[in-house]
Amino acid sequence: AQTVTQSQPEMSVQEAETVTLSCTYDTSESNYYLFWYKQPPSRQMILVIRQEAYKQQNATENRFSVNFQKAAKSFSLKISDSQLGDTAMYFCAFSQLYGGSQGNLIFGKGTKLSVKP
Amino acid sequence: DAGVTQSPTHLIKTRGQQVTLRCSPKSGHDTVSWYQQALGQGPQFIFQYYEEEERQRGNFPDRFSGHQFPNYSSELNVNALLLGDSALYLCASSAIVPLHERARRTDTQYFGPGTRLTVL
Repeated sequence: AQTVTQSQPEMSVQEAETVTLSCTYDTSESNYYLFWYKQPPSRQMILVIRQEAYKQQNATENRFSVNFQKAAKSFSLKISDSQLGDTAMYFCAFSQLYGGSQGNLIFGKGTKLSVKP
Repeated sequence: DAGVTQSPTHLIKTRGQQVTLRCSPKSGHDTVSWYQQALGQGPQFIFQYYEEEERQRGNFPDRFSGHQFPNYSSELNVNALLLGDSALYLCASSAIVPLHERARRTDTQYFGPGTRLTVL
């Protein structure tokens, strides 16, 4: 069975600095998706970034980028120029293909990120 | 364009009762997935509906059932509520995208705001 592990329950960073959140996963599949979702205190789960396993290039979305190491089964999230609004729980998630499309999401336990002024 | 909507926002029930939660998907989406998020945990997959049928199911008992309507909206029903069913219930909508359309469409799941269920 696939598992997702986030080894950092809590992290903090100063505003404008860079922080990296770690995630490892376990799967025997060769084609799958990886995601980082953000959940602020408002509870809404918001997609931050998505990576498809067959793509060697690391995904980027503005200040957010990932370091995808397929052989090591590692998928870390780097947040540059941290802002107060980045304060939230961050969940790493895995999805294998099902019927040719994205299947169900398997989430890690989350990392609580606090951005300090 | 309205995103994923869920109702109600909050719900309080007692043990043994039954509850129905509702979800309307994002425009253009035909698939609805339900997740249970206990306090301090990541969401756990309950099931997914596509074309009014259960497409995938997670490791949840039969007390958890669902339905999808022709307009793609969905309901989650939980019977014989237990204290342990207290959680945030998240609905996510997505589209089933054939491989040849992946360049212009995404099958990413987008979440609603959730329903907080408290069982007393």
